[in-house]
Amino acid sequence: EAQVTQNPRYLITVTGKKLTVTCSQNMNHEYMSWYRQDPGLGLRQIYYSMNVEVTDKGDVPEGYKVSRKEKRNFPLILESPSPNQTSLYFCASSFTLAGGGEQYFGPGTRLTVT
Amino acid sequence: DAKTTQPPSMDCAEGRAANLPCNHSTISGNEYVYWYRQIHSQGPQYIIHGLKNNETNEMASLIITEDRKSSTLILPHATLRDTAVYYCIATSGTYKYIFGTGTRLKVLA
Repeated sequence: EAQVTQNPRYLITVTGKKLTVTCSQNMNHEYMSWYRQDPGLGLRQIYYSMNVEVTDKGDVPEGYKVSRKEKRNFPLILESPSPNQTSLYFCASSFTLAGGGEQYFGPGTRLTVT
Repeated sequence: DAKTTQPPSMDCAEGRAANLPCNHSTISGNEYVYWYRQIHSQGPQYIIHGLKNNETNEMASLIITEDRKSSTLILPHATLRDTAVYYCIATSGTYKYIFGTGTRLKVLA
């Protein structure tokens, strides 16, 4: 089954404790992206990757890192999480956005930083 | 990418057509209009997209005005399962996506 998976689905952590949220897709998609969703603010793009080893900032990249060493994986790293990073996070992938292409979204990761 | 404007909420009777408007008056010639929906806190789901012609698939129809400054997503026979937040996005595929806050559609029994 074609899908985007995220792990963990739920995470409660403390301020400053490094964490990684994994994202994997099995559709051989070139493009992958991370979003966060907060009440009243909709989905905001954090980082995206056009292909292996190619990443760029979205609208809200502060406090996050990403890497794209393999085509299928795009982990989101929070080196020193803070309470304002408490949010619902989505990973997405697409074959390509050039000329039009839909994104497939993962189920989400709900992160709470205390 | 062009900014889009959508009404914050709409209601629709079950079985009737739901017409969701989107304004994208600053859209440029190479920007596509995409529609996604999000049910509760699930991952957004792609519905349809178009450039300038009207489009139809098994889920919905997309009507884009001739000047491309606005569009309408049509769910022909809305069901309770169509209750969701609907997002309209204009993007040229430059890898940046701006979702906005969408329209909360409530389908009423």
